[in-house]
Amino acid sequence: ILNVEQSPQSLHVQEGDSTNFTCSFPSSNFYALHWYRWETAKSPEALFVMTLNGDEKKKGRISATLNTKEGYSYLYIKGSQPEDSATYLCAQGGAQKLVFGQGTRLTINP
Amino acid sequence: GAGVSQSPSNKVTEKGKDVELRCDPISGHTALYWYRQSLGQGLEFLIYFQGNSAPDKSGLPSDRFSAERTGGSVSTLTIQRTQQEDSAVYLCASSPLAGVGEQYFGPGTRLTVT
Repeated sequence: ILNVEQSPQSLHVQEGDSTNFTCSFPSSNFYALHWYRWETAKSPEALFVMTLNGDEKKKGRISATLNTKEGYSYLYIKGSQPEDSATYLCAQGGAQKLVFGQGTRLTINP
Repeated sequence: GAGVSQSPSNKVTEKGKDVELRCDPISGHTALYWYRQSLGQGLEFLIYFQGNSAPDKSGLPSDRFSAERTGGSVSTLTIQRTQQEDSAVYLCASSPLAGVGEQYFGPGTRLTVT
């Protein structure tokens, strides 16, 4: 994998359901993996910065895992709420810049 | 405290005109980044400033694009002779130090070239 890839591109989830999506990235020369949430008309907001293989981070109903050896990260949202509707971006961080995936657009249906 | 601010929030310009986009980073942040998101694309790195070091311009798509950072604070991204393919949301971000920490993003400038 030469680029950062995210799947699916879009996702519709019923309120109250749990969901997850994937970020794949080059496993060589790994530095850091970032997750951001970008709501319409707002600034992208950092969710997690992960650096260690096997790392798992949690913020409220949202959690993320990291596998640097195989080059993937999962983002989980438990009990989806309408306010979770946003585009979720992952990025592989170098020392100087971030390389972003195209994002997963999540829509929560009430 | 105040976050990253950008101006204008929206800009419509005619093809061939020059535009300037402004970014005010968080006070004290030494690293400043410009990205853009074109329709259907992911966020694309443009340029990075770190303190007084020479900027990393490796992401600028053409020589029509340039950026400055004055006094280690405010940055201006200039696009000369705009083309329709320059239409995008231009995002600025800052961080306390370059490296592994999170970047703090501004709300972006939506540029439309007609």
